[in-house]
Amino acid sequence: DGGITQSPKYLFRKEGQNVTLSCEQNLNHDAMYWYRQDPGQGLRLIYYSQIVNDFQKGDIAEGYSVSREKKESFPLTVTSAQKNPTAFYLCASISSLSGNTIYFGEGSWLTVV
Amino acid sequence: GENVEQHPSTLSVQEGDSAVIKCTYSDSASNYFPWYKQELGKRPQLIIDIRSNVGEKKDQRIAVTLNKTAKHFSLHITETQPEDSAVYFCAASFGGGADGLTFGKGTHLIIQP
Repeated sequence: DGGITQSPKYLFRKEGQNVTLSCEQNLNHDAMYWYRQDPGQGLRLIYYSQIVNDFQKGDIAEGYSVSREKKESFPLTVTSAQKNPTAFYLCASISSLSGNTIYFGEGSWLTVV
Repeated sequence: GENVEQHPSTLSVQEGDSAVIKCTYSDSASNYFPWYKQELGKRPQLIIDIRSNVGEKKDQRIAVTLNKTAKHFSLHITETQPEDSAVYFCAASFGGGADGLTFGKGTHLIIQP
């Protein structure tokens, strides 16, 4: 848990702006994930990456973009195309593709003003 | 894709009683079923998980059961305590979660003193 760092914890975005959420892990984990959580809802997968320079869309990728240039980093950009971006965003990682525990960062709250 | 249904959405029990939360999944290929506990404004924390080659797993007051034929799994908490109050999420995936987890919508567990 403690090895996954998300920033900022709180972020306000104006309509029409792109914003980027940072996720860094020092656990040497292979795979990284971004989930979105809305009040009263479960977590929904936005994007995931199992290896550097490769990533796949999750269930709700529209309006989001990611990159994986380094193993340690998996930033998420919330673009202006995302019509309802206000939510709690959680980054997660897993140590191997063979099936180990997924751990979450502390999350980032994004609010549109 | 996978679909996970979770019931009930809210569960209120007296302190000391048992609590049971149930989930069903749709993809018979799913083989990894974790349960997470989330306190308000915090990240989900893994509390127990089970893989499809096991029917039951216990950890102190917490147990999970899996019925592969019926495609459902349940979380059992015995001797509930005030600190058990939280939102609990079940999840399912194939391959141990490397392709991402599909979450249920959560159960708000309230422990009445």
